[in-house]
Amino acid sequence: SQQGEEDPQALSIQEGENATMNCSYKTSINNLQWYRQNSGRGLVHLILIRSNEREKHSGRLRVTLDTSKKSSSLLITASRAADTASYFCATVFTGTASKLTFGTGTRLQVTL
Amino acid sequence: DAGVTQSPTHLIKTRGQHVTLRCSPISGHKSVSWYQQVLGQGPQFIFQYYEKEERGRGNFPDRFSARQFPNYSSELNVNALLLGDSALYLCASSPRDRGTGELFFGEGSRLTVL
Repeated sequence: SQQGEEDPQALSIQEGENATMNCSYKTSINNLQWYRQNSGRGLVHLILIRSNEREKHSGRLRVTLDTSKKSSSLLITASRAADTASYFCATVFTGTASKLTFGTGTRLQVTL
Repeated sequence: DAGVTQSPTHLIKTRGQHVTLRCSPISGHKSVSWYQQVLGQGPQFIFQYYEKEERGRGNFPDRFSARQFPNYSSELNVNALLLGDSALYLCASSPRDRGTGELFFGEGSRLTVL
């Protein structure tokens, strides 16, 4: 079963705008990761945030983590048409195998 | 350096048949994981292998099996295919045994069961 859910399920914005996606999960985690998937192809790792971190940046990406609310958000600033893809959050539990538990994903459409 | 490679990229089977999917990890990576992604959903964990040993198994029936070879490549086998097995099967590799870091995914094998 999916670990959590992402909100919104779909998001359509214009180029240059910011895109925010949210992820909720159900149990305690070791870290949370965000992945991107283009048109049903392989997933590409974007960023990892550990349970003792609250915010992390990578280029145009900003991720926040609120462990008390069991939620995370991904902000993409100054979106480009090339950012059009599905975005998934994935959680990792302490002591488990290299297992990612994925959310349901947000489909982002960036139009010119 | 080559990324994770999977074969075949697409295949069509009929119900009751058997399928074998193959994966070659990134050079130096000893851990391989398999995920199933049904259309419109996030990937779901099937197996993880490290140094040829099974380290994790998801909630999948015994029709699903896998193995890892001495060169760290891996096969996923699915017997007695059902329509519901139609999905994108993703392989991922990692240099680590237990997971705190990122996984590196291949492009997937898209299985259609008719």
